[in-house]
Amino acid sequence: DVKVTQSSRYLVKRTGEKVFLECVQDMDHENMFWYRQDPGLGLRLIYFSYDVKMKEKGDIPEGYSVSREKKERFSLILESASTNQTSMYLCASSSSTGQAFFGQGTRLTVV
Amino acid sequence: QKEVEQNSGPLSVPEGAIASLNCTYSDRGSQSFFWYRQYSGKSPELIMFIYSNGDKEDGRFTAQLNKASQYVSLLIRDSQPSDSATYLCAVTPPGTYKYIFGTGTRLKVLA
Repeated sequence: DVKVTQSSRYLVKRTGEKVFLECVQDMDHENMFWYRQDPGLGLRLIYFSYDVKMKEKGDIPEGYSVSREKKERFSLILESASTNQTSMYLCASSSSTGQAFFGQGTRLTVV
Repeated sequence: QKEVEQNSGPLSVPEGAIASLNCTYSDRGSQSFFWYRQYSGKSPELIMFIYSNGDKEDGRFTAQLNKASQYVSLLIRDSQPSDSATYLCAVTPPGTYKYIFGTGTRLKVLA
């Protein structure tokens, strides 16, 4: 089975903190994604990566950055957390031929 | 116009009935289509994918794709209370690896 693992299920951070969300996949997938999910807005793509050290902006990249130094790991960084970044964050991975599989999600609260 | 549209529901069906979930998409060149199920508080789980016009069956699930009408649907036969969840439609636009999600349809199966 594909396994996508996110480092935390729940996080509480203070406004202005730098926040790191980590995601690891074990299926040698080329593509990895970070989404956020908010009620009524659905899943919105923040960033994605199609290869090591490669990244592309999604629909809402402002306030976020990413890092992909190894194929299996894709990190999302909130440079200076703000309350409007309180959300569910979902990491996913996929091969170039097929389907995306999600991690368990990280519910981030910024206070 | 949203890229991927779904009726938010809730769609209520009695146990044992067929549930029909619909999704339209705006980019005519889209090539891959996916259905995810998401239980409350959990991450999306892939249940069906379809690439070609027509029907694809897997157990109680049937995905139907009509590219001319830019329409993809999911039928759930013999609906069970455990099928109660939000169903997300996702589409891969041409020339990209990313996935565009609809906001989901909430399904309630009544015992």
